[in-house]
Amino acid sequence: KNEVEQSPQNLTAQEGEFITINCSYSVGISALHWLQQHPGGGIVSLFMLSSGKKKHGRLIATINIQEKHSSLHITASHPRDSAVYICAVYDFGNEKLTFGTGTRLTIIP
Amino acid sequence: DSGVTQTPKHLITATGQRVTLRCSPRSGDLSVYWYQQSLDQGLQFLIQYYNGEERAKGNILERFSAQQFPDLHSELNLSSLELGDSALYFCASSVNVQGETQYFGPGTRLLVL
Repeated sequence: KNEVEQSPQNLTAQEGEFITINCSYSVGISALHWLQQHPGGGIVSLFMLSSGKKKHGRLIATINIQEKHSSLHITASHPRDSAVYICAVYDFGNEKLTFGTGTRLTIIP
Repeated sequence: DSGVTQTPKHLITATGQRVTLRCSPRSGDLSVYWYQQSLDQGLQFLIQYYNGEERAKGNILERFSAQQFPDLHSELNLSSLELGDSALYFCASSVNVQGETQYFGPGTRLLVL
């Protein structure tokens, strides 16, 4: 079993739909990072969070440390949101960084 | 544009060869991270440098080495290349050591033939 699991692996939705991508982890962490990788390969950091909730534009990220779970939500999805979304967990004490396998999101106009 | 630059963008080489990938962090960022993304392994953390010193080590092979120079740019050296080393190599930078948002470079695509 991977230490970081993402679901779903693939998600196709219509423009305007509310999107949820999940990340569950089995290790102790110090922080969790959500990344977006565009079809061309470029990676953009979306959020770094260690508790609670963060919001940036149409993107919302939440984390529940007790349940070892984080979600990334996209409101009013748009075709330009089509990308692979990757979560990564940090264990600063052990200097370990582990990535999930990513969720491929496709938004259809 | 993240402010992180990587050169070269593409590199094609043969097995057994050695290559050097270069990364310039964002102005003011002291930490540089190297990542490898291959088709079968996904993203993997290789190594982190902070202000010239190695800070954390991930799944970096012994054939690979890195360093960060006084001007804070970093180089990743890959030697005795194998077909399986073909991948996208990203560097990222952040202001401090940990807990900071990382800014990713565009990556170097390495193809080993």
